[in-house]
Amino acid sequence: EDQVTQSPEALRLQEGESSSLNCSYTVSGLRGLFWYRQDPGKGPEFLFTLYSAGEEKEKERLKATLTKKESFLHITAPKPEDSATYLCAVHGSVYNTNAGKSTFGDGTTLTVKP
Amino acid sequence: DTGVSQDPRHKITKRGQNVTFRCDPISEHNRLYWYRQTLGQGPEFLTYFQNEAQLEKSRLLSDRFSAERPKGSFSTLEIQRTEQGDSAMYLCASSLGLTGQFFGPGTRLTVL
Repeated sequence: EDQVTQSPEALRLQEGESSSLNCSYTVSGLRGLFWYRQDPGKGPEFLFTLYSAGEEKEKERLKATLTKKESFLHITAPKPEDSATYLCAVHGSVYNTNAGKSTFGDGTTLTVKP
Repeated sequence: DTGVSQDPRHKITKRGQNVTFRCDPISEHNRLYWYRQTLGQGPEFLTYFQNEAQLEKSRLLSDRFSAERPKGSFSTLEIQRTEQGDSAMYLCASSLGLTGQFFGPGTRLTVL
């Protein structure tokens, strides 16, 4: 069974204080690792897809990296508008029983204080 | 491209009643997913379509849940004989192949 564990559950930062969110995963044949941002009461918003270890993607103050066991979402000089819950999800191989589904972690809730 | 839409946005029902939700995906997307999310948890997979074919259904899902996607366009999710434990946000998402999924705003279900 695919598993995704995100840490920490909650993170409070001062504006401009850089940090990283962790996503540890167990999956049979990773076909993709996805990062999403979710604001309260809304559906998740797609941020990045990573397909293989060593891959990196960047968007504004966010940078996602991937190893064979975990992914990090680095936030550089965050602003209050970066406050949200960040979700990680994995999509496994068509050869395992979880083919076709994304398995989500429970997210890290980030609060950035001005 | 108007994004993924869901209807209704909120639904309040009494225990034992049936409810149906609708999802309109992004038109060129061939995959459509349904998830359920409760407070403090990540989205939980319910079912998945590729075009009109329902290819996978969560083993956690009871027979009270059914989904359709006629002609590979919009999809409906029906819950029969609702229970209080069904109260949650029901999310629909679509994608083009194995890419990031685009989510709708969700339907919040409250079962009294």
